[in-house]
Formats: sequence, structure tokens, C-alpha cells
Amino acid sequence: DAGVIQSPRHEVTEMGQEVTLRCKPISGHDYLFWYRQTMMRGLELLIYFNNNVPIDDSGMPEDRFSAKMPNASFSTLKIQPSEPRDSAVYFCASRSTGRGETQYFGPGTRLLVL
Amino acid sequence: EDKVVQSPLSLVVHEGDTVTLNCSYEVTNFRSLLWYKQEKKAPTFLFMLTSSGIEKKSGRLSSILDKKELFSILNITATQTGDSAVYLCAVGNNAGNMLTFGGGTRLMVKP
Repeated sequence: DAGVIQSPRHEVTEMGQEVTLRCKPISGHDYLFWYRQTMMRGLELLIYFNNNVPIDDSGMPEDRFSAKMPNASFSTLKIQPSEPRDSAVYFCASRSTGRGETQYFGPGTRLLVL
Repeated sequence: EDKVVQSPLSLVVHEGDTVTLNCSYEVTNFRSLLWYKQEKKAPTFLFMLTSSGIEKKSGRLSSILDKKELFSILNITATQTGDSAVYLCAVGNNAGNMLTFGGGTRLMVKP
């Protein structure tokens, strides 16, 4: 069974550009989470979905960030316009209601905004 | 607001040593505590604890939860260089489905 898939794995962009990060959760998982990890702030939850519906987006830093989940097998996190302080590793994780709290993480997207 | 604090922040040991990592928490309506290991890539799941006093064990790793004192420990015996990683502790509550993560303990095991 494939794990959580994220793309791209690395992204380098210039300030002001739009960035789109992609995630495919584990098949059958009904929860999807987007996290950001930096040295300064550790692992922070940005937003999570249940059955494709956004449940809590209180961790989204500001209006420049948006996330969508058009179907059960795909989600995007978009940053527009990007800023240098958005540089971080962005993780997507998924879990299944019937299998406890355990979240399974994707490999992450390392974003560098110049 | 839920809070998770891990200690120490970092630790350097030699192969064969035993280490104990600490995680204390403040959470409303505690549901579970999870330990993850993060090497260069994504966090990988180690243990989930929900009941006090019951040790979970996997090879050289073990963990226990104390719900009265609000902490958990992760023990690693006979450490190996492959144990070098950041160890993350996270708690979940009954109010929702989110996990709150601690800042992690960075463990380095020297040959």
C-alpha cells in the first residue's frame, strides 16, 4: 500500500510567486492534515479536512495561504504571493477514523522562497 | 490551549548507552499521546499510549504514560547510530481530531 504522496519534493521560487503543493492521502483515509515545520516553530498544524471538508483552518498563517480538497484522493496547499518567511518543510498527513489517532506523514515538500 | 513540552532539547550519547526522553503535556480532555521518530524526512509513528502505567515496547524502544502526572517517557536501550533522529511527542484530545506536537528532542548517537 502506497503511503502519503507529496509533490513536488523540493521547490525553489522567488518572492511574490504562487506556489502550489500537492498531496495524495493513503487510500481509504478520511482525514487529511497539512503541517509546516521550521527550526524556530517546530511542527505546526495549518489545516485539516474530514471527508474532503475543511474542519479547522485556524493554523493557516494568513490570507496568502489557501487549501482545497476537491476529492478524497487529492489536496492542494497554495501560497499566493509567497514570501521568504514561508520557507519551510510542508508535510501532508492522513489517518483513518477506524484506526485511532495515528497520522501517517508524507515525505514533505521543502520550500525555499528567495 | 493544549501544550506539549519535551526535554531535553538535544542529547548526545555513545552507542550502547540507554536514554530517556521526556514529554509533559497540558491538554483539555486528553485522549492519547503519540511518539514519532523523525530522521531526515517525515515523522514515522512509534507508539500510541492511552492508558496509564501500561508499557508499550518495540525492540529496544519502550514508552509509558502517567496520566496523573501528565507525562510520558520514551526509553531507548543499547542505543545505535541508527537511533539518531528527532523524537516528537504529540497529544490528541477528545474535542477534535488534531494532534499538538512538542518541539522534539534531537538525539545523536556517536559510534
